[in-house]
Amino acid sequence: EIVLTQSPDFQSVTPKEKVTITCRASQSIGSNLHWYQQKADQSTKLLIKYASQSFSGVPSRFSGSGSGTDFTLTINSLEAEDAATYYCHQSSSLPYTFGQGTKLEIK
Amino acid sequence: EVQLVESGGGLEQPGRSLRLSCAASGFTFDDYAMHWVRQAPGKGLEWVSGISWNSGSIGYADSVKGRFTISRDNAKNSLYLQMNSLRAEDTALYYCAKDSAYDYGGDFQHWGQGTLVTVSS
Repeated sequence: EIVLTQSPDFQSVTPKEKVTITCRASQSIGSNLHWYQQKADQSTKLLIKYASQSFSGVPSRFSGSGSGTDFTLTINSLEAEDAATYYCHQSSSLPYTFGQGTKLEIK
Repeated sequence: EVQLVESGGGLEQPGRSLRLSCAASGFTFDDYAMHWVRQAPGKGLEWVSGISWNSGSIGYADSVKGRFTISRDNAKNSLYLQMNSLRAEDTALYYCAKDSAYDYGGDFQHWGQGTLVTVSS
């Protein structure tokens, strides 16, 4: 099973700040890495697919990069509505796995 | 607009069974693979099972293999999860998710709101 390790687990940030969340895979997964945003009482949303492709309708301040084992989700100029938990997910091999999540709090 | 609506959750005793359903609309259901993902209270996301567009490919997490069965009815635009031999550790919010591809292996483009399963005596 491929283990995905996100860092940090929690981050408190101010609006307009730039945020970087990393996801490290226990073995190479190519570009089969996706990022999601989860908020209470809302359905989970896909942000970035295949490491760096933005999903339709996602604000341009969200971007992704990386390949192999190391990946990054970047949020430029953070907004209050970005308070959420973010998960990475690999679809390279079964069983599909998720990172443990990164909770972003807005100060 | 893509909509995924889960149902069938509830309180059940250990060892008993439960069947979850997911009603899909807003897209051509039989063009896409589908998945079940769960989230235990206060925990992260765990992939449970996936099924390809024609049910030809099916996969399960080790934690549910042999106890859970995924299926779909393309005529009814519905996805199912038959959960047998329930355990306390199966307690979670169960989400239905739509894959981006017909044969699972892609990103999960749309998610439902989830249905809560509680296993307790």
